[in-house]
Amino acid sequence: QKEVEQNSGPLSVPEGAIASLNCTYSDRGSQSFFWYRQYSGKSPELIMFIYSNGDKEDGRFTAQLNKASQYVSLLIRDSQPSDSATYLCAAGDSGYSTLTFGKGTMLLVSP
Amino acid sequence: SAVISQKPSRDICQRGTSLTIQCQVDSQVTMMFWYRQQPGQSLTLIATANQGSEATYESGFVIDKFPISRPNLTFSTLTVSNMSPEDSSIYLCSVSWLAGELGGTQYFGPGTRLLVL
Repeated sequence: QKEVEQNSGPLSVPEGAIASLNCTYSDRGSQSFFWYRQYSGKSPELIMFIYSNGDKEDGRFTAQLNKASQYVSLLIRDSQPSDSATYLCAAGDSGYSTLTFGKGTMLLVSP
Repeated sequence: SAVISQKPSRDICQRGTSLTIQCQVDSQVTMMFWYRQQPGQSLTLIATANQGSEATYESGFVIDKFPISRPNLTFSTLTVSNMSPEDSSIYLCSVSWLAGELGGTQYFGPGTRLLVL
């Protein structure tokens, strides 16, 4: 059974701070990893994907992958109240087909 | 990415009835998927919609309850059959291309909110 684990939160950070969201996965065969943001009542929106060990930066977002530890993280710099949402981590299977989602971490950014 | 639409956006249905949800994409895609998201929960994959062949269902989901069609590369339907209140959920379609760096990346439609009374 493939599993993706996330702390459900909520994670509360003040505006301007760095938010750190973490995720672990059980399937060592997973090759691709995704972070989605989901606002209440909306569908998931892709933020970033990462395939290789190390860091990948896109604007205020940095995804980090450590395959040896089976660990993925998302850092959000200069957090804004508009970043308040649930962040879903997903791991792809080795065939680049289906995804297994974690339960999500709720992030609250206070002004 | 692509523009993905779903119909209906929401519905209220009586138990024992069936509802068909449509997913339309504005460009051809390789893969189409159907998910369920129950209140306060994460996404659970129901099945992969295969073009021209039977869908591939995940454990716990069966074709009699969730028949799926995919007649071409831009369209799919999910039917929720013989509904009960436990089927009240958000149903989401997603699409992906298996090419290049974006391989495996899935993009989601706006979802269909279903309430079964």
